[in-house]
Amino acid sequence: GEDVEQSLFLSVREGDSSVINCTYTDSSSTYLYWYKQEPGAGLQLLTYIFSNMDMKQDQRLTVLLNKKDKHLSLRIADTQTGDSAIYFCAESKRMDSSYKLIFGSGTRLLVRP
Amino acid sequence: DTGVSQDPRHKITKRGQNVTFRCDPISEHNRLYWYRQTLGQGPEFLTYFQNEAQLEKSRLLSDRFSAERPKGSFSTLEIQRTEQGDSAMYLCASSSYGTSGRTRNEQFFGPGTRLTVL
Repeated sequence: GEDVEQSLFLSVREGDSSVINCTYTDSSSTYLYWYKQEPGAGLQLLTYIFSNMDMKQDQRLTVLLNKKDKHLSLRIADTQTGDSAIYFCAESKRMDSSYKLIFGSGTRLLVRP
Repeated sequence: DTGVSQDPRHKITKRGQNVTFRCDPISEHNRLYWYRQTLGQGPEFLTYFQNEAQLEKSRLLSDRFSAERPKGSFSTLEIQRTEQGDSAMYLCASSSYGTSGRTRNEQFFGPGTRLTVL
């Protein structure tokens, strides 16, 4: 099936690290993505990782990929109140000349002051 | 600001009415996607255009839904005889093939059109 799974909710204290986990199903996914959605807004692409990589770091964001277990995680260092949002992981599924994104249900991150 | 715009941002309609949404992608992007997001869920793929050609349609896209991209620029999504189950956020995204320095798979999303069917 096309199930990408994420935990529903995460609460952290400001300044701590946040780790959001995701499992995906399609081992042929070339790219895996993390998107952020704030209330009433569209999706903002945060970062992505190519399937032949284990780790990617981008400022406060670290993505870890375990391809064997089909597990993806997003670590946010020094989490700020502005990071409160819903975070979606997505796998890419090949179609004619492009890819469609298969999203999880999202993890709501709440950052407490 | 991703550069993808959608109009209207909100639409309230009565069951049985027809509605049409518009998406303007980032100007140099030749690929355009429609997704639907219901409350508490992630977006689900509906359809995809490369230039003016509609190359993929999801099974979610019933006969009441039609999408066009007549000149390979903006796109419209029409829903005929709306039902309460059509209430959702309709998201448009665009991407470019072969842009230097970028993965060709990056999809940039617009703010969405929130449809409420009464």
